[in-house]
Amino acid sequence: KAGVTQTPRYLIKTRGQQVTLSCSPISGHRSVSWYQQTPGQGLQFLFEYFSETQRNKGNFPGRFSGRQFSNSRSEMNVSTLELGDSALYLCASSLADIRRDTQYFGPGTRLTVL
Amino acid sequence: AQRVTQPEKLLSVFKGAPVELKCNYSYSGSPELFWYVQYSRQRLQLLLRHISRESIKGFTADLNKGETSFHLKKPFAQEEDSAMYYCALSGRRDTGRRALTFGSGTRLQVQP
Repeated sequence: KAGVTQTPRYLIKTRGQQVTLSCSPISGHRSVSWYQQTPGQGLQFLFEYFSETQRNKGNFPGRFSGRQFSNSRSEMNVSTLELGDSALYLCASSLADIRRDTQYFGPGTRLTVL
Repeated sequence: AQRVTQPEKLLSVFKGAPVELKCNYSYSGSPELFWYVQYSRQRLQLLLRHISRESIKGFTADLNKGETSFHLKKPFAQEEDSAMYYCALSGRRDTGRRALTFGSGTRLQVQP
């Protein structure tokens, strides 16, 4: 099976702009989670989607949002970008089966805000 | 609130030496604990989870609820074990939510 894919892999934006990142989960996986990775804060949970519904949200401002489509693909959006939003954004998918709930990570999208 | 602590940023050992990467957690319910590994230029991948109690690439980890620890161990380190290791916790069994709380990571360097 193909792994989790994320597009684009690299992005450069300027402050005040908005950005949309995309994640395609492993085929059959219904849960998609997003994480932010920075040198200072490490890996932090952003939100989780399951069956097109946000199930859980981390401690991030409302500028960070996401959605999931009927084919389980997910997008996250960051509006009014700030310098501190520069990070590696990771997407992870899982079967959401009680016995097989491992999260598989994508390669990430590296966002640089200038 | 849940928290994961990995006290060592860097652990350097020689090939063939035993390895122990420390992980302590804070969580009031029934946690699920994981070790993830990230090799150079590769994506984050699951190494092992406490529920499955399996050994992967010679690594083992035992959940010690009394000491709230989930240390990762390997008796004989190999050069290919050099990577970044993250301990992570999920409260899914209590809340149904899959959010992982990660530690800050430990870089393991295995020298020849």
